[in-house]
Amino acid sequence: SQQGEEDPQALSIQEGENATMNCSYKTSINNLQWYRQNSGRGLVHLILIRSNEREKHSGRLRVTLDTSKKSSSLLITASRAADTASYFCATVLHGSGNTGKLIFGQGTTLQVKP
Amino acid sequence: DTAVSQTPKYLVTQMGNDKSIKCEQNLGHDTMYWYKQDSKKFLKIMFSYNNKELIINETVPNRFSPKSPDKAHLNLHINSLELGDSAVYFCASSQDGRLGQELFFGEGSRLTVL
Repeated sequence: SQQGEEDPQALSIQEGENATMNCSYKTSINNLQWYRQNSGRGLVHLILIRSNEREKHSGRLRVTLDTSKKSSSLLITASRAADTASYFCATVLHGSGNTGKLIFGQGTTLQVKP
Repeated sequence: DTAVSQTPKYLVTQMGNDKSIKCEQNLGHDTMYWYKQDSKKFLKIMFSYNNKELIINETVPNRFSPKSPDKAHLNLHINSLELGDSAVYFCASSQDGRLGQELFFGEGSRLTVL
């Protein structure tokens, strides 16, 4: 069954606005990762947050993790048209043995209008 | 140089045919993966190899057979293609997948079965 679910499924904003995407998961995790996928391209890793971390920053990206609520959020500040893409959260389940299996959610499609 | 490259990028074929997709990574990573992305963008792991050893084998029809001749290459052979096999297949690699690290993806191979 699917581990991560993103919310909203689609988001449309104006350039310059902030975009917030949420991810919820079901079972304990080792880490949670966010990826971006431009149309017709492969996924690109954005940021990894470990289960013992609460917040992480990378440029205009801010990721939070709340393990008690089993949720994470990705905030993109001062969005640009080039941020238009699908964003996926992915989790590595705690106790996934020696496989480190990464399970992806269905993604949030972000459109940033110029 | 492309880090993770897969060929072909597009594949159109008839039901019942056999086809292969090839993947190569020049990152020196130990672990490689095949993921399938359906029309709703849901990304599902199929196989993972760590240093030529199969470590993840999800519930995939045995018409799908991965082969890793060395740790830099992971190929996917599909027998007796069905309509439902139409999807985008992504190859990915990570330094050591057992640790749940970030993935580096190829650009995808879009398979269309007619």
